[in-house]
Amino acid sequence: GAVVSQHPSRVICKSGTSVKIECRSLDFQATTMFWYRQFPKQSLMLMATSNEGSKATYEQGVEKDKFLINHASLTLSTLTVTSAHPEDSSFYICSAKPREGGRARYTFGSGTRLTVV
Amino acid sequence: QKEVEQNSGPLSVPEGAIASLNCTYSDRGSQSFFWYRQYSGKSPELIMSIYSNGDKEDGRFTAQLNKASQYVSLLIRDSQPSDSATYLCAVSAGTASKLTFGTGTRLQVTL
Repeated sequence: GAVVSQHPSRVICKSGTSVKIECRSLDFQATTMFWYRQFPKQSLMLMATSNEGSKATYEQGVEKDKFLINHASLTLSTLTVTSAHPEDSSFYICSAKPREGGRARYTFGSGTRLTVV
Repeated sequence: QKEVEQNSGPLSVPEGAIASLNCTYSDRGSQSFFWYRQYSGKSPELIMSIYSNGDKEDGRFTAQLNKASQYVSLLIRDSQPSDSATYLCAVSAGTASKLTFGTGTRLQVTL
């Protein structure tokens, strides 16, 4: 159980375009999903916390107008990288936690490798 | 000061040996502690979670937590080449809180 699907797994886009990444919890409901970014040979850095039905909470230094997050349902959160530039090229990973809370495990999606050319 | 610290490695151990991975954290309010394994180009995979002081064993893996020393470790017994990966320590302040990751320790298990 607790499967998180992330799509696409890999995307190449031109500079200035926008890219949408989807994160779905397949067999559980998630009121909270997390979006991370990982640059080569670095650790995961939390970008934002996505809350179902409300605005996302962004970490310091993350531009909310550039990285649009929508968490419209208990099973889907999307991250849109707007006007992408080469420096946005990174590995983006979502994570979700089952709604029932407690000591439930955070489950990660398979990640999206974004390359902006 | 980094919130979660790990030695970046690489830590090289021969096949069959015990690998010992260490992590320290700065937030005394931390309640949940996790070890993730990440293969190159892949997303993290949960190996162990621990919430109370002491040891927790699961197969070849043992997590150890010492809240007084703000220290958590992972032991891998009978290390296999397939264990070669980066091991990430993650800490959370509570059940609904975000995870803060360390930079990871790269483990190499040699034949």
